[in-house]
Amino acid sequence: AQKVTQAQTEISVVEKEDVTLDCVYETRDTTYYLFWYKQPPSGELVFLIRRNSFDEQNEISGRYSWNFQKSTSSFNFTITASQVVDSAVYFCALSEGTSGTYKYIFGTGTRLKVLA
Amino acid sequence: EPEVTQTPSHQVTQMGQEVILRCVPISNHLYFYWYRQILGQKVEFLVSFYNNEISEKSEIFDDQFSVERPDGSNFTLKIRSTKLEDSAMYFCASSEAGLTEAFFGQGTRLTVV
Repeated sequence: AQKVTQAQTEISVVEKEDVTLDCVYETRDTTYYLFWYKQPPSGELVFLIRRNSFDEQNEISGRYSWNFQKSTSSFNFTITASQVVDSAVYFCALSEGTSGTYKYIFGTGTRLKVLA
Repeated sequence: EPEVTQTPSHQVTQMGQEVILRCVPISNHLYFYWYRQILGQKVEFLVSFYNNEISEKSEIFDDQFSVERPDGSNFTLKIRSTKLEDSAMYFCASSEAGLTEAFFGQGTRLTVV
């Protein structure tokens, strides 16, 4: 069965600190996709990244980086030099490639508070 | 930049009333979805729609729910007889293909009183 676990409910950091948000997933499929979305206080869901199961290369985009490790079924997200504007709830999500429906299974989210 | 648009942003309705939540997906997208998020909880899948039919629905999506794509641009979610527990943020999403990223609208906050 599909499952996404974000064990960190809430994290508080001081501005300019680095922070890593953990995501662990379960799936029986060999083809799947992982995503991170940001939900700022305004409530919308903002797409951050998509990674397929065949591509374990880490990715960096500005202050954001993602570490995908199939061996531990993890897809962790690091924000370097955090800023107050990074304060939001971050969701990790999984979509199985062979199910034919492409629905997302979301984790419970991690609320990040960046303090000035 | 193309975006998914949802209306209204907030709707208050009385228990037992019908509501229709509206969405305009991104124009070249082929897959459409509804998700909901009860306050403070995780985002839950309701239904996916492709080629003018439902491709999957969750156990939440019971007979009180229906979706429709009445024309080439709109995608609607209807709740026939709302219950208090239907109060949530409802998100519409669309994707270009099944395995590409989905883009979400800003959500409709439904409050059932």
